Amino acid sequence: NAGVTQTPKFRILKIGQSMTLQCTQDMNHNYMYWYRQDPGMGLKLIYYSVGAGITDKGEVPNGYNVSRSTTEDFPLRLELAAPSQTSVYFCASSLTGPNLNTGELFFGEGSRLTVL
Amino acid sequence: TQLLEQSPQFLSIQEGENLTVYCNSSSVFSSLQWYRQEPGEGPVLLVTVVTGGEVKKLKRLTFQFGDARKDSSLHITAAQPGDTGLYLCAGERGSRDDKIIFGKGTRLHILP
Repeated sequence: NAGVTQTPKFRILKIGQSMTLQCTQDMNHNYMYWYRQDPGMGLKLIYYSVGAGITDKGEVPNGYNVSRSTTEDFPLRLELAAPSQTSVYFCASSLTGPNLNTGELFFGEGSRLTVL
Repeated sequence: TQLLEQSPQFLSIQEGENLTVYCNSSSVFSSLQWYRQEPGEGPVLLVTVVTGGEVKKLKRLTFQFGDARKDSSLHITAAQPGDTGLYLCAGERGSRDDKIIFGKGTRLHILP
């Protein structure tokens, strides 16, 4: 029972490089999210999607892009990496969207990114 | 502005002691959730509270949603080393375009 799978788990980038963090879920959830977690700062929403073909910005979208071509996959692309993007990135999915009284967020294990 | 304030930020106590951590806001929330996150892993849901004044128990953990639905507390009785982790509260205000909001978390360390 895989749930939400993220790759890679760790990555070091040089300033200006680009990369894609992969996220896939096998629970047929329509809602998917990307968060970043910085020490002592909780989870900040980067982008989210309410279904295939639909994406929208969260609280901190600058420097990132997403796509949602299938229900299962929600990759996060970093263009021109900067040290400020050093963080732990979490992908999550849910069945019912931002309606917590009927659902929960299922998180991946995280991807730790360092930009030097 | 942090919509969900969690306190304390850090807590280190001896095994067997009791503790309470808090999640407070000036906004009314439709529902609140508590997650626990262990090192190297993603957060995992512990409980959802939806009714003002609601109390839910999960073994030694007791969760309460404030009467006005602006705050919540988590009480742990006889803490054990396995309770160590980052406790996050998350809420949604119920409006159509609302997003799920997370607090910064309380990092709990139970000493054996």
